[in-house]
This record gives sequence, structure tokens and C-alpha cells, in this order.
Amino acid sequence: DTGVSQNPRHKITKRGQNVTFRCDPISEHNRLYWYRQTLGQGPEFLTYFQNEAQLEKSRLLSDRFSAERPKGSFSTLEIQRTEQGDSAMYLCASSSGTGETDTQYFGPGTRLTVL
Amino acid sequence: GQNIDQPTEMTATEGAIVQINCTYQTSGFNGLFWYQQHAGEAPTFLSYNVLDGLEEKGRFSSFLSRSKGYSYLLLKELQMKDSASYLCAAMDSNYQLIWGAGTKLIIKP
Repeated sequence: DTGVSQNPRHKITKRGQNVTFRCDPISEHNRLYWYRQTLGQGPEFLTYFQNEAQLEKSRLLSDRFSAERPKGSFSTLEIQRTEQGDSAMYLCASSSGTGETDTQYFGPGTRLTVL
Repeated sequence: GQNIDQPTEMTATEGAIVQINCTYQTSGFNGLFWYQQHAGEAPTFLSYNVLDGLEEKGRFSSFLSRSKGYSYLLLKELQMKDSASYLCAAMDSNYQLIWGAGTKLIIKP
């Protein structure tokens, strides 16, 4: 396994611009998760996919956020009309979706700075 | 509501032992995870407990008491590279992880 990868690693944008992040999970992992993390806090759940189906989306997630996993492999997270409060580390994790343990393995994250 | 509590920060000495506690309240329970996170990096998986008792993995051990809603992570023979944040996360009945804010562990020589 090559591990979970995310691109880009860093993104600086101006307020009001749209940004898109990509996540490539561990191959054959059925579940893919998106989290947001700010300094001194644990990861905040955003959404998750079982294969290509988006099964859950946080109620805290505004309509400016959308995620896709069109072929059940890689996923994209788009933020429209970015705000300064969107500045955070965006983490992607994947898991096999089988067994009780279902451990999530994280990618390196994309650090977003909104100016 | 669902909640995870763990200390914000702890300090320990190189070569010593430290115990990081975590209490949890979740809707249903499907296990307790510990992750390590170095500054600016992603969390890495350390341990998983679903049954009561102690799980040992080298210098790291994790304990769970389901009746008390309590877990701890024990780190022995501390090394400087163990300086990191340690995240406790409980899996609820929907198999979603509920995360604590993390405990920043500072190791002094």
C-alpha cells in the first residue's frame, strides 16, 4: 500500500475564491472520510463515502462545501466562496470498511490559508 | 450528547513513563482509538481497544474500562521523538469516530 495521498499539500487563496482538494485513498479501501482540523483541536468530521455513495454529511457543513467520489476511488472536496474561517488543515482518511476495527488511516493533509 | 475529555497538555522527562487519560460518552460504543500527531502532520494510528483490559505494543500500552467510560495510553521509556499530541477517539453506534481535542505531550531532557 502506498498510503493515503492528498493534493495539494498547501493552498493559499483569497477570500471569495473557490478551491478544490484531492484525496487518493489506500487502494481497495471502501470508506473515505474528510475532516477539518484547526490548531489545538481534534479532527472535525465533514463527510464520508462508502464506495461512491456519500453516506453522511456533517450538519455543521455549509452549502459552500461539496464532496464527490465519482468512481469509488479518489475523492474531491470543493469549497466555494472561501471565507477566512475556512482556514484549517483538511484531512482525508480511508478504511477498509470491513471488520469491527475499521481503522482509519490518514493522508498528510492539505493546509488551506484564506487571506 | 457525545463527548471526549482528555488533558490539554502534559510534561514528562526523557526515559520516564507517562499516562494520558481519556473519558468518553458516546451513543453506543464500538471501540476506542489512540492516534499520535506530530505538529503539522496527520494523525497516525497507535492502538484500538474494544474489550476491557490492557493492550501492549512495545513501549506503548492502551487500557480500556467500558463500564467507566475510561481509557488511558501509557508510554514507557520516553524518547524526545514522543513529543506530539495524542488524540483519543471513540467509535459510536454508527461507526463514526468522536474525537477529543488531543493532549500535547512535552518531553524534557
